Amino acid sequence: ETGVTQSPTHLIKTRGQQVTLRCSSQSGHNTVSWYQQALGQGPQFIFQYYREEENGRGNFPPRFSGLQFPNYSSELNVNALELDDSALYLCASSLLAGGPVDTQYFGPGTRLTVL
Amino acid sequence: GDSVTQMEGPVTLSEEAFLTINCTYTATGYPSLFWYVQYPGEGLQLLLKATKADDKGSNKGFEATYRKETTSFHLEKGSVQVSDSAVYFCALTPYQGGSEKLVFGKGTKLTVNP
Repeated sequence: ETGVTQSPTHLIKTRGQQVTLRCSSQSGHNTVSWYQQALGQGPQFIFQYYREEENGRGNFPPRFSGLQFPNYSSELNVNALELDDSALYLCASSLLAGGPVDTQYFGPGTRLTVL
Repeated sequence: GDSVTQMEGPVTLSEEAFLTINCTYTATGYPSLFWYVQYPGEGLQLLLKATKADDKGSNKGFEATYRKETTSFHLEKGSVQVSDSAVYFCALTPYQGGSEKLVFGKGTKLTVNP
């Protein structure tokens, strides 16, 4: 069974640029959630995708957007990067099946640095 | 809204000491509760979970009991090892039948010395 993978591992961008982060979900999972973890803080929920549609969003501006593909992999796009966007971005996959939530399994994360 | 408050760190213990990391929560309904662990330079790993009141989650010698009356989910281990050094996050998922986001505490850094 393949776990959650993310790419790239590290990324350095400058203010105003755009970035795309990628996530492959665990086999058998249909839901991907994205989290932002600032240094020394707990992860903050950005949004979740289920069956290629956004299925809930945290308190993040519209310049944070995402996609989910038919194979359940996902992308996180951030436009007009700001210094405060520097963080570890975590992707988690799970199986949403209409009942109590299944566990979310996390990838290793992408470390984004904005200069 | 839903929130998690956990014991401020850092926590430093000697090997074989007893560990408790306190976690309390605020949520409507009946959330599921989790402990995740993050080793240096890595993502989050699920340590244990409990989905209803009085459930006890356990893994690798760690335990936590879902206490609805005190809205708590304290993490315990009877004898810590150097390899347990990591950051521990308490989290909840509110059961709403829709988006099942995780709400995390700020994390507690544990250092175990030999």
